[in-house]
Amino acid sequence: GNSVTQMEGPVTLSEEAFLTINCTYTATGYPSLFWYVQYPGEGLQLLLKATKADDKGSNKGFEATYRKETTSFHLEKGSVQVSDSAVYFCALSGSGDSSASKIIFGSGTRLSIRP
Amino acid sequence: DAGITQSPRHKVTETGTPVTLRCHQTENHRYMYWYRQDPGHGLRLIHYSYGVKDTDKGEVSDGYSVSRSKTEDFLLTLESATSSQTSVYFCAISEGGDRGGNYNEQFFGPGTRLTVL
Repeated sequence: GNSVTQMEGPVTLSEEAFLTINCTYTATGYPSLFWYVQYPGEGLQLLLKATKADDKGSNKGFEATYRKETTSFHLEKGSVQVSDSAVYFCALSGSGDSSASKIIFGSGTRLSIRP
Repeated sequence: DAGITQSPRHKVTETGTPVTLRCHQTENHRYMYWYRQDPGHGLRLIHYSYGVKDTDKGEVSDGYSVSRSKTEDFLLTLESATSSQTSVYFCAISEGGDRGGNYNEQFFGPGTRLTVL
């Protein structure tokens, strides 16, 4: 079945450092890929998405490229800020009617940024 | 922000009592979902609905039931709560995938923290 594996946290960085959170997936067909972010005490929000191979999703300085050859969708940001402290979830939505209606989430990576 | 509310936001109950959580949307989205979030497990799907009176099980449905009598409301019921159901519960909505593409952006409510003593 479909699955998502992301790097375990917590990840602690200093402000302005470069961020990478690794995510790999297993899926049949051509899934859509997402990164969601959860700030303390809130629900998840969509950060970015990519719906086909080689697409790059981007938002708020974050980027991720859909790599079908390596089944990866790593999240990157060039210079993190304290306000980026949150939990980040990699996720996929499979192809086909019933699986396209559901999202599989990774276990989440907690990111803390030191001033 | 998508119009999704959850009630109650916090609840403490005792083992063996019934509990109902409510999710309400104002977006007229077809799909609604209930997840639970636990440390080390990310989000796990409990049940989802693809229309009024149309529901299906997710990966952790045991001990939970759902009902959707109106497009805007999706209820999650714990018939007899157990301590293992202590968790944070999130509702989400979506227009669904497979509209020429297959992406499925979901919008999440603020969550309900449930404690079963």
